[in-house]
Amino acid sequence: GAVVSQHPSWVICKSGTSVKIECRSLDFQATTMFWYRQFPKQSLMLMATSNEGSKATYEQGVEKDKFLINHASLTLSTLTVTSAHPEDSSFYICSARVRATNYGYTFGSGTRLTVV
Amino acid sequence: GQQLNQSPQSMFIQEGEDVSMNCTSSSIFNTWLWYKQDPGEGPVLLIALYKAGELTSNGRLTAQFGITRKDSFLNISASIPSDVGIYFCAGQLNPFKPGGGADGLTFGKGTHLIIQP
Repeated sequence: GAVVSQHPSWVICKSGTSVKIECRSLDFQATTMFWYRQFPKQSLMLMATSNEGSKATYEQGVEKDKFLINHASLTLSTLTVTSAHPEDSSFYICSARVRATNYGYTFGSGTRLTVV
Repeated sequence: GQQLNQSPQSMFIQEGEDVSMNCTSSSIFNTWLWYKQDPGEGPVLLIALYKAGELTSNGRLTAQFGITRKDSFLNISASIPSDVGIYFCAGQLNPFKPGGGADGLTFGKGTHLIIQP
């Protein structure tokens, strides 16, 4: 089946530094990927839609200069959290739309970001 | 933005019992999805619904897309210990957009299922 690989699975960084999270579609091409954020014991909130070869679309309230998204190929989208602060600590999850499963959505395993 | 109300928030049941949870929305969706999430993992798709009124089964799981497009339910029959986890409903307005894109998913707040052996 379609697999979305997300890396790293967890990362701890110092406040003020930047962190890059990768999301890869392993056996299919993903023209559209989505980035979600999930705080503890809460639901997933859509942050942005990543389109291959074009600018990402951000949800209201999400700072595009802070959460840089690059979708340079049909199998890779990256999310860079710039100048991270403790309040950015969260579980970040990517998702891709899979044509083979009638356009169902497959999720990566998530990245636990802790900013200290 | 759109809001999804998912209930119940948590369920404590005995192994072997049936489970029912539902989601309602203030506005319509054209796709309803049900996911299960284990701690520290991404959500895993259980059932996808694409047509109003559709009733779909996946093993012991059954889900329906409400005729008004504003609600969906998920039933789990004869629960087993591995059913423990958090279940999320998710709705999508536009699965296909001009230019090839799609809307992201709006998630419910989740139902935490706890099973007592």
